[in-house]
Amino acid sequence: DVKVTQSSRYLVKRTGEKVFLECVQDMDHENMFWYRQDPGLGLRLIYFSYDVKMKEKGDIPEGYSVSREKKERFSLILESASTNQTSMYLCASSGGDGGGYTFGSGTRLTVV
Amino acid sequence: SQKIEQNSEALNIQEGKTATLTCNYTNYSPAYLQWYRQDPGRGPVFLLLIRENEKEKRKERLKVTFDTTLKQSLFHITASQPADSATYLCALVPTAGNKLTFGGGTRVLVKP
Repeated sequence: DVKVTQSSRYLVKRTGEKVFLECVQDMDHENMFWYRQDPGLGLRLIYFSYDVKMKEKGDIPEGYSVSREKKERFSLILESASTNQTSMYLCASSGGDGGGYTFGSGTRLTVV
Repeated sequence: SQKIEQNSEALNIQEGKTATLTCNYTNYSPAYLQWYRQDPGRGPVFLLLIRENEKEKRKERLKVTFDTTLKQSLFHITASQPADSATYLCALVPTAGNKLTFGGGTRVLVKP
């Protein structure tokens, strides 16, 4: 069964901490994505990557950075966590062939 | 501005009936449109994809239509079951690009 695995289901971090959210896929997909999902705002794209060491800003990149050193792994970094980054974070991958995205189960991050 | 609109009100439907969900978009020229299912606290799961040159697509009890003149997609669940209760998201990929943009989703509740 193909998978996108996010390292944590729940995280609680303090304001100002550096936070790493990890995502690993086992489908050899080129494309990987980070979204956040908030009530009333839906899913919003933060960053995406078409290939190793490549990254593109999505619609709301401010306050975030990403790293893709290996094809299967895409990390989202909150350089200095703030309370407005409390959200559900969803990682996804796709083969770029027009097929559907495969999402991870999500990480619910609370910044206090 | 670009918009993808789904009915934000929950759809309550009796078991066995057909649920019909609407996705309208403005200022997009999508190469294709996708539908996802999302259960509470989980990541979206890909259901169906329909391309701009296709009018209709079916998968088991699901049917999707795509009208590029009306800028609308309809998603039908026939012979609905309580297990179909979830939030359904439409998403589209513009003609130029690979990143998926999501509508806000419509919650469906199928009552026995």
